[in-house]
Amino acid sequence: GQNIDQPTEMTATEGAIVQINCTYQTSGFNGLFWYQQHAGEAPTFLSYNVLDGLEEKGRFSSFLSRSKGYSYLLLKELQMKDSASYLCAVRDLSEAAGNKLTFGGGTRVLVKP
Amino acid sequence: GAVVSQHPSRVICKSGTSVKIECRSLDFQATTMFWYRQFPKQSLMLMATSNEGSKATYEQGVEKDKFLINHASLTLSTLTVTSAHPEDSSFYICSASEISTAGGNEKLFFGSGTQLSVL
Repeated sequence: GQNIDQPTEMTATEGAIVQINCTYQTSGFNGLFWYQQHAGEAPTFLSYNVLDGLEEKGRFSSFLSRSKGYSYLLLKELQMKDSASYLCAVRDLSEAAGNKLTFGGGTRVLVKP
Repeated sequence: GAVVSQHPSRVICKSGTSVKIECRSLDFQATTMFWYRQFPKQSLMLMATSNEGSKATYEQGVEKDKFLINHASLTLSTLTVTSAHPEDSSFYICSASEISTAGGNEKLFFGSGTQLSVL
């Protein structure tokens, strides 16, 4: 099985930076995903990491350290519309053929003016 | 990008009735679709993996006789909540991926979700 941990809630100010951490334990790691989900809506894909290092995509960046079982999602220049839940999801090597993901509990980010 | 259509978006039903939710991949073929359930302020919990042409694989603790899954074609999977009860009230989301080779960065595309309320 897999165990994925991320903080429940975070609050930040518009224009600031917020870092959402995710730690995981898996028997055979094969990729980590970050999704954004607004209340009552479907999750939307943000990023994918399978090798160590930083992946940058506009205001969002995601980092992975496989040896530490650790990832973070960095949101820069926060905007009010970034208020949402951010889901960390891990794919296990044994489940790669089916692209099955296991999700963490999600981190609710509240951006204040 | 790939689109997954799910409907209905919202359904209210009486206790004891059955509800069917449809999930369609509109512009790609999905041999595998996934059904998730999400309670308020919680994350997605995988219920089952739907495989085209074969029986679904259910996660531990999910009753297969209560949550019937049919994946009759490469573009359609259905979830039927049988004899629904108030505790089944939840947000149900389907997902599918456009897979050519396994293990890559294939993104899961999610349907828009179905909010089920059982009275």
